[in-house]
Amino acid sequence: DGGITQSPKYLFRKEGQNVTLSCEQNLNHDAMYWYRQDPGQGLRLIYYSQIVNDFQKGDIAEGYSVSREKKESFPLTVTSAQKNPTAFYLCASSTIPRDRARYTFGSGTRLTVV
Amino acid sequence: KNEVEQSPQNLTAQEGEFITINCSYSVGISALHWLQQHPGGGIVSLFMLSSGKKKHGRLIATINIQEKHSSLHITASHPRDSAVYICAVRLVGGNEKLTFGTGTRLTIIP
Repeated sequence: DGGITQSPKYLFRKEGQNVTLSCEQNLNHDAMYWYRQDPGQGLRLIYYSQIVNDFQKGDIAEGYSVSREKKESFPLTVTSAQKNPTAFYLCASSTIPRDRARYTFGSGTRLTVV
Repeated sequence: KNEVEQSPQNLTAQEGEFITINCSYSVGISALHWLQQHPGGGIVSLFMLSSGKKKHGRLIATINIQEKHSSLHITASHPRDSAVYICAVRLVGGNEKLTFGTGTRLTIIP
């Protein structure tokens, strides 16, 4: 079955370490996204990519980096520059064109930095 | 003020009750999505609306573009409907990204 796979589901890291969250999709979707979810807040966009080898910053990109070397994969690196990295991270993908874009979400990765 | 507001924030109801969750937005949109997030965190897309009404099983979603308002209804609610329901909009002239409401936590008691 097609879908999005995020791994791992839970991740613990020490403060000051970079960590990379995996996101893979087999839906042949062109666009992929990373969102962050904090308690009491709506999902906020970190980065998105509409095509291989191209990506754009979202609303809260500081302290994060991404790559899009393959259509299927959009890994997110949480760097030591991110001041408050503990959060729930969701990856999503969508079709294009815009007016009929269908979104699929992953099951998320809960990152805890200690 | 958030561009997307949901109400209520929390809702507890007895099994079998008719449920209504509301979403209001303050910007021009090209589409509105209703999403369901279960306790594990994964999100499932329920509906995408640009006008009118859609129905899937016991779920009904409506949108009024002039009033900038959408509702999600659940008929004959069941404990398995317990989840967080999230409204998200795609802005007119924007790219593919969505703007999300903060969600409505629904608990259905047997």
